[in-house]
Amino acid sequence: DIQMTQSPSSLSASVGDRVTITCRSSQSITSYLNWYQQKPGKAPKLLIYAASSLQSGVPSTFSGSGSGTDFALTISSLQPEDFGTYYCQQSYSSPWTFGQGTKVEIK
Amino acid sequence: EVRLVESGGGLVKPGGSLRLSCATSGFSFSTYSMNWVRQAPGKGLEWVSSISGRSTNIYYADSIKGRFTISRDYAKNALFLQMNSLRVEDTAVYYCARASPYDILSGYYYFDYWGQGILVTVSS
Repeated sequence: DIQMTQSPSSLSASVGDRVTITCRSSQSITSYLNWYQQKPGKAPKLLIYAASSLQSGVPSTFSGSGSGTDFALTISSLQPEDFGTYYCQQSYSSPWTFGQGTKVEIK
Repeated sequence: EVRLVESGGGLVKPGGSLRLSCATSGFSFSTYSMNWVRQAPGKGLEWVSSISGRSTNIYYADSIKGRFTISRDYAKNALFLQMNSLRVEDTAVYYCARASPYDILSGYYYFDYWGQGILVTVSS
């Protein structure tokens, strides 16, 4: 199975800050990497697919980058509604695996 | 509007069975692969099972293989998860999720719509 490792596990940042979350896979997954946001008590929401494609309706403050084994999700200007836990997920091979999550808090 | 609504969760004793349902609407059901993803209390997301649009390809996580069965009903536009021999560690919120309109093994396989989730508690 492909292991996905996110860092940091949590972060606290101020509104307007640039925030970057990284995700590393245990083997190359080319660009088959997706990002989700989950708010407490809610279902996950797709943000980015195929490493850098923005899902329809997602603010352009979110962007994704990377290929191979190293990926990043960047929020260019953190907004109050961006709190929650962010997960990466590889779709290179079954079983589809997720990272352990990064909790984002607003200072 | 795409809608996914899970039902069938609840409290069950270890060794027992439950059948989860996911009612869908707002899209061509047979065109999309469907999935179950679960989340144990306070934990991260774990993919459970996937079924292709025409049910020709089915995949299971090792943790539930041989105990859970995924299926779909095209007349009802519904997805199911039959869960047998339940264990305490199966306790989780179970989400029904629609996949992207690509082949399961294409690599471009992501979960673009999710239900609200249903809690399954396995406890004596």
